[in-house]
Amino acid sequence: QVQLVESGGGVVQPGRSLRLSCAASGFSFSSYGMHWVRQAPGKGLEWVAVISNDAHSEYYADSVKGRFTISRDNSKKTVDLQMNSLRTEDTAVYYCTKDLLRDFWSGASDYWGQGTLVTVSS
Amino acid sequence: DIQMTQSPSTLSASIGDRVTITCRASQSISSWLAWYQQKPGRAPKLLIYKASRLESGIPSRFSGSGSGTEFTLTISSLQPDDFATYYCQQYNSYEYTFGQGTKLEIK
Repeated sequence: QVQLVESGGGVVQPGRSLRLSCAASGFSFSSYGMHWVRQAPGKGLEWVAVISNDAHSEYYADSVKGRFTISRDNSKKTVDLQMNSLRTEDTAVYYCTKDLLRDFWSGASDYWGQGTLVTVSS
Repeated sequence: DIQMTQSPSTLSASIGDRVTITCRASQSISSWLAWYQQKPGRAPKLLIYKASRLESGIPSRFSGSGSGTEFTLTISSLQPDDFATYYCQQYNSYEYTFGQGTKLEIK
């Protein structure tokens, strides 16, 4: 079955960096776009970034553009989110998600990881 | 960016009730809309995609409709497991925005 397991969350000071990782299994990883979606404590969902199945394309929310970088390694079946210049408003649970559509991406997510909490605080 | 507005924000209902949640887009998104269910402390679960297509394994009491700017999620007969928060998401264009959520509570 499809499994997505995030890691790398923790407490970090404003301005510092953190790298999240997501390990995927149970599906043809190299055929699907992958997303990161976040949820601030007690708040709604916010889409963060997407990377195409072949890693040739990536898009970001305006709130993280220029600070966050999504990447993937199809040989290891992992997708990462490098987060630089972190702000207090980046505090959230970060979910790794699998896109619904094969060989491209739609924007909808049919599988979600359990999430990893990032807390940005001094 | 396309803004997604859900109504109501909170909905109180009883087991067996038929409930409808509305999601409005600030501009046309064709049928590129998904609905998710989230329970406390859990990741969201995809219920509906492309406005009306039921995800595999989701009970048939869930249905979606609409196109353009107005969409609805209907639960035909509420079950105890359905009390949760529901989100719509547009995936017509970047950024892929979500509604603010509708919390479905037991009356």
